This record gives sequence, C-alpha cells and structure tokens, in this order.
Amino acid sequence: AQTVTQSQPEMSVQEAETVTLSCTYDTSENNYYLFWYKQPPSRQMILVIRQEAYKQQNATENRFSVNFQKAAKSFSLKISDSQLGDTAMYFCAFMTDNDKIIFGKGTRLHILP
Amino acid sequence: GAGVSQSPSNKVTEKGKDVELRCDPISGHTALYWYRQSLGQGLEFLIYFQGNSAPDKSGLPSDRFSAERTGGSVSTLTIQRTQQEDSAVYLCASSNFAGDGNTEAFFGQGTRLTVV
Repeated sequence: AQTVTQSQPEMSVQEAETVTLSCTYDTSENNYYLFWYKQPPSRQMILVIRQEAYKQQNATENRFSVNFQKAAKSFSLKISDSQLGDTAMYFCAFMTDNDKIIFGKGTRLHILP
Repeated sequence: GAGVSQSPSNKVTEKGKDVELRCDPISGHTALYWYRQSLGQGLEFLIYFQGNSAPDKSGLPSDRFSAERTGGSVSTLTIQRTQQEDSAVYLCASSNFAGDGNTEAFFGQGTRLTVV
C-alpha cells in the first residue's frame, strides 16, 4: 500500500527566511504524481506545486521549489523568502493515474514577524 | 460552476439523525474524492469515484457511511445515525487526470459537520 509520511508536525521560521518541509513516500509504482497543498485557516486547499515522477527536473513555482529524489522516495518543499501569508498547514500528497490521492498528516508552518 | 462546490457549508445535527452532504465537482472531471478532516488534523481518505463507480471504499469508517455518484457528476455522502465522533470537516475534491502535466485535485470548501 502507498503511504506518505511527513515527519515534522509543526515548524516556525522568521519572515524572509528559507524553510524546508520534508516528505517521504512509499510505492511500487513507477509513474505517479506528487503534490504539495497548502491549507490556510480558511480551510481551502490550494495546490502549491506538483511534480511528475517521470520528470527528473525539480519543479519550481516562484518562491516554492521541490527536491525530488525518486530513488530515495523523497519529496521536500523549499519555501524561499518566507512571507506571513505562507502561514498554513502544508500537505504532501501522492497520486497514480486512475487512483486515489493519499495525503500525509501535514506540517503546520508558522511564519513569525 | 468554475470550482468544486459543497453544500451545506455548515451542518449541525442531533446525535442519531441522518445527514447528507453534497459535492458538485468541476464539469468533466471523472474522479471524485471524499476526505474527512478532524480539527487541526490531516486528511482521512473515505472513498473515491471513477465515473459512477467506487473502486476504493476502504476508508469508510463504518457501515453508517455511504456515498453515491450519479451521472458521473454530483456525489452525496450519507451518514446514518450520526455520532459525536462524526463531527469533522468533510472535504470533496475532483480531478481531471489531464495527462499533460496539469493533473491535480481541486477541492471544495468543505462541509463542517457538528453532531450535538
């Protein structure tokens, strides 16, 4: 069975610092998708960044980037120049085609002024 | 509509009553997912639909929970004889499996269920 593990339940960093959220997963599939979702207090889930497993290049979206290590089954999220608005719950997720999406338990991130 | 719509946004019900939660996915999305999120916790998978079929119901907590999807569109999650431990936010998502690098799941705002 596929699993997603986020080992950091909670983190705090100062505004403008860089923070890395870790995620590992377990699967026997070769082709899949990985996601980081953000859930602010409004509870609306927002896609932050996505990575296709067949792509070796790490995905980037402005201040957000990932370090995808397929062999190690690791998918960490780096937030550069963190902003107060980045305060939220962050979920790592895994999906294969035509199958359910599996989420980690989340990391609660606090950006401190 | 443009996004995933869930109704009601909030529901307070008495213990023992039945409730129905509705999810209207993005038009054309074949996959639909239900998750439960207890206060401050992660997303607990409940059930997943591909079209009108549910290949994976493994997350339904008990036989009091059921879900259906009709016309490959709207889905209803029904909880019978509600218990206080059913209190949570129920999130619905739909997905397109675009296959062009744009695959993602889009979420509704959720239904906050409170059983008193």
